[in-house]
Amino acid sequence: EIVLPQSPATLSLSPGERATLSCRASQTISNYLAWYQQKPGQAPRLLIYDASNRATGVPARFSGSGSGTDFTLTISSLEPEDFAVYYCQQRSDLPITFGQGTRLEIK
Amino acid sequence: EVQLVESGGGLVKPGGSLRLSCAATGFTFSNAWMSWVRQAPGKGLEWVGRIKTKTDGATADYAAPVKGRFTISRDDSKNMLYLQMNSLKTDDTAMYYCATDRGSSSRYNYWGQGTLVTVSS
Repeated sequence: EIVLPQSPATLSLSPGERATLSCRASQTISNYLAWYQQKPGQAPRLLIYDASNRATGVPARFSGSGSGTDFTLTISSLEPEDFAVYYCQQRSDLPITFGQGTRLEIK
Repeated sequence: EVQLVESGGGLVKPGGSLRLSCAATGFTFSNAWMSWVRQAPGKGLEWVGRIKTKTDGATADYAAPVKGRFTISRDDSKNMLYLQMNSLKTDDTAMYYCATDRGSSSRYNYWGQGTLVTVSS
C-alpha cells in the first residue's frame, strides 16, 4: 500500500499569507496525485488533479507541483474561506490511498 | 448537473448488515467507474472500493479492511450504486460517500453528501 504522509499536520497562518502543504509518497506515483479541500460538515472538494491541474472552478491562487514522490499544494494568498482540511490522494496503484490531512487554521 | 445522493445509513449492531445506495443523475452512469469513500468521525478519508463499468468487466476492488465483508454493485438501468456491508464492526462507523469523475480516472470530481453508518451495541 502506498502511504502518503502529509506535513505539517496543522498549519496556522493569517489571511493574505502564503500556505505550502506537503505530501510525500512512500513510492513513486508519477503525477497521479490529487488534492482535496474539506470543510466541516461537507464532502471533500477536488482542487488539483494529476499533481498540477486545477479542477473546474478552483481559484488561481491554488497551485500544485511535484512528481514521483514529493508533492506540494500552494495557496498564494489565503482567503478566509481557505481555512479547512486538505488531503492528498494517489491513484497510481490499488488500494487508492489518502494522506492523513493537513489542517489549515487561522492564526 | 451531476448529483450523487446516498441513502441507507443508520444504527446497526456489531455483526449486522446494511445496504447503502447512491442515486446518480446528470451524467451517463453506465460510463462511470464508481467508488465508495468513508470517513470515521473526526478522522481522515479512507477509500472503501470501486466498481468498474460493464464495458470494463464490472469488476470491483476493495480496501483490505472491508474485503470479504463488503460488496459493491451497480444497476445501470436505475443509475444506482450499492454497498452491501456484512459482518459490521464498530470500526466501520463512518460517513460513507459515493464519488466519481464520470469516467475511469479514480480522481473524484463529484461526491455525494454522505450517509452515516453507526455500528454500536
